[in-house]
Amino acid sequence: DIQMTQSPSSLSASEGDRVTITCQASQGIRNYLNWYQQKPGRAPVLLIYDASNLETGVPSRFSGRGSGTDFILTISSLQPEDTATYYCLQYDSFPYTFGQGTKLEIK
Amino acid sequence: EAQLVESGGDLVQPGRSLRLSCTTSGFNFGDYAVSWFRQAPGKGLEWISFIRSKPYGGTTNYAASVKGRFTISRDDSKSIAYLQMNSLETEDTAVYYCSSGRFYTFWGQGTLVTVSS
Repeated sequence: DIQMTQSPSSLSASEGDRVTITCQASQGIRNYLNWYQQKPGRAPVLLIYDASNLETGVPSRFSGRGSGTDFILTISSLQPEDTATYYCLQYDSFPYTFGQGTKLEIK
Repeated sequence: EAQLVESGGDLVQPGRSLRLSCTTSGFNFGDYAVSWFRQAPGKGLEWISFIRSKPYGGTTNYAASVKGRFTISRDDSKSIAYLQMNSLETEDTAVYYCSSGRFYTFWGQGTLVTVSS
């Protein structure tokens, strides 16, 4: 199975800050990686697909990059509504696997 | 607008069965694969099952944790996916989500399955 190591596990930052979350795959997954945002009691929401493509309707402050084993989600200017848990998902091969999640809070 | 609605979650005793449904609308369901995911209370997300679209053979894949106990299926005429869950264990307690679309764009709101005596 492909292990997805996501870091940090939690993060506190101020409004307007630039924030980065990383996911590292235990083996190459090409660009088959999604980033999701999940708020308490809600379903995950797709932010980035295929590592670097912004899903329709997602604010442009979110961006993703990477390929192979190393991936980064960046929020360029943190907003209060970005408080959530963020997950990466690899879907290059079965079993699909998620990172452990990053809980992001606003100071 | 694409919509997915999960249903069928309930409180059941260990060893019993349950069938979840994922009723969809607003997109060409038959064109896309479907996956089921779950999230145990206070935990992260876990993928558990996948079914390809019929043009790609309708084949299935399962996580080791559910293989042999859960069965995924689809009825394209009704735009519904199912998850038959047998021999339920307390560790299966979770919110279950279905997802579809080209990049797992679309998700339902989830349905709660509680396995407890």
